[in-house]
Amino acid sequence: GENVEQHPSTLSVQEGDSAVIKCTYSDSASNYFPWYKQELGKRPQLIIDIRSNVGEKKDQRIAVTLNKTAKHFSLHITETQPEDSAVYFCAALMTDSNYQLIWGAGTKLIIKP
Amino acid sequence: DGGITQSPKYLFRKEGQNVTLSCEQNLNHDAMYWYRQDPGQGLRLIYYSQIVNDFQKGDIAEGYSVSREKKESFPLTVTSAQKNPTAFYLCASSISGLAGGFSYNEQFFGPGTRLTVL
Repeated sequence: GENVEQHPSTLSVQEGDSAVIKCTYSDSASNYFPWYKQELGKRPQLIIDIRSNVGEKKDQRIAVTLNKTAKHFSLHITETQPEDSAVYFCAALMTDSNYQLIWGAGTKLIIKP
Repeated sequence: DGGITQSPKYLFRKEGQNVTLSCEQNLNHDAMYWYRQDPGQGLRLIYYSQIVNDFQKGDIAEGYSVSREKKESFPLTVTSAQKNPTAFYLCASSISGLAGGFSYNEQFFGPGTRLTVL
């Protein structure tokens, strides 16, 4: 079946440095890619999303890039802060699965002081 | 955080028992979803509903059942047929259930219910 692979599973970066999380997807017709952040003990929340008609989208310190040819997309966080510590999930809209979101396994981001 | 609630927060069940998890939203959203979250894994879709009185199976529907009698409510029943029900269950909702690809819309999640089978 369709799947989304997410790497790395854990990422530890020094406060102030940048963090990059990558996801690859299998359905070449996928056209919507959201990223969710789940802080410890809290619910997932959408932080940024991108549609297939653009290659990059930015929102302050976070950005998402999409490479449709290679079927991968990435989350970039610059100038990381302690509050960025969380689990981040990517997802892809699978058009051949009745428009279901297929989720990556998550990346635990640790910001070291 | 308001708008979509789940109860209870923690639930314990004996083997062989059915149990129902509650999900309510006051966001006037058409679409609602149930996900299961296991450690080290992403969110797996159990059931979803695009509109009242209609619902569809997700990837892991076996051993679960749902109903959508009201727009604001989407309860999930974990039956005794579910072989490994211990997990964290998340309910979500989004604005649109039909036309335009409902999953284009942001999904708002409830706080979750942690189910443990004793």
